[in-house]
Amino acid sequence: GQNIDQPTEMTATEGAIVQINCTYQTSGFNGLFWYQQHAGEAPTFLSYNVLDGLEEKGRFSSFLSRSKGYSYLLLKELQMKDSASYLCAVRDEGAGGYQKVTFGTGTKLQVIP
Amino acid sequence: GAGVSQSPSNKVTEKGKDVELRCDPISGHTALYWYRQSLGQGLEFLIYFQGNSAPDKSGLPSDRFSAERTGGSVSTLTIQRTQQEDSAVYLCASSLAQGAGYEQYFGPGTRLTVT
Repeated sequence: GQNIDQPTEMTATEGAIVQINCTYQTSGFNGLFWYQQHAGEAPTFLSYNVLDGLEEKGRFSSFLSRSKGYSYLLLKELQMKDSASYLCAVRDEGAGGYQKVTFGTGTKLQVIP
Repeated sequence: GAGVSQSPSNKVTEKGKDVELRCDPISGHTALYWYRQSLGQGLEFLIYFQGNSAPDKSGLPSDRFSAERTGGSVSTLTIQRTQQEDSAVYLCASSLAQGAGYEQYFGPGTRLTVT
């Protein structure tokens, strides 16, 4: 099984930087995803990390430390449209040997002027 | 190109009735997932298909829930004798394969309300 923890809510100011943390416990880790979900909409893919280090994609970066079971999503130059829930999801080996993806409960980010 | 589609977008049903939810994945995507999301909650995994077979049904909440996939494409999730606690948004996602790095593409969801 898996345990995925993220803060429930965060608030940050437009133009600032925010870091959303995710910790996980799993036995057969094979990658970590971040998804963005606006209220009333489906999640959309942001990033994928499987090796330690930082992956940068424009204003968004994601970091992974496998030894610590830790990831963060960094959002720079925050915009009002970044107000959304951010879901951490971990892939590991599930029943039958296939790669199972489990989602955390998400961090609701509110960007304020 | 077309994304993942789901129907109906909204379904209101009476307690005890059966409902069928449909998912059309992206063409060529062999992996298909069903999740459930209650208001303000995270995604709860229900079932996963690789092709037409379901190697992991561990997330189905009870034997009232079943799912099938035909032709490696369309999938239906059936809930029998619905209960009020079944009310949620049911999300379907597909991915190119089960390999590492294949992100999931989500459909818009079906909002199910059991009265």
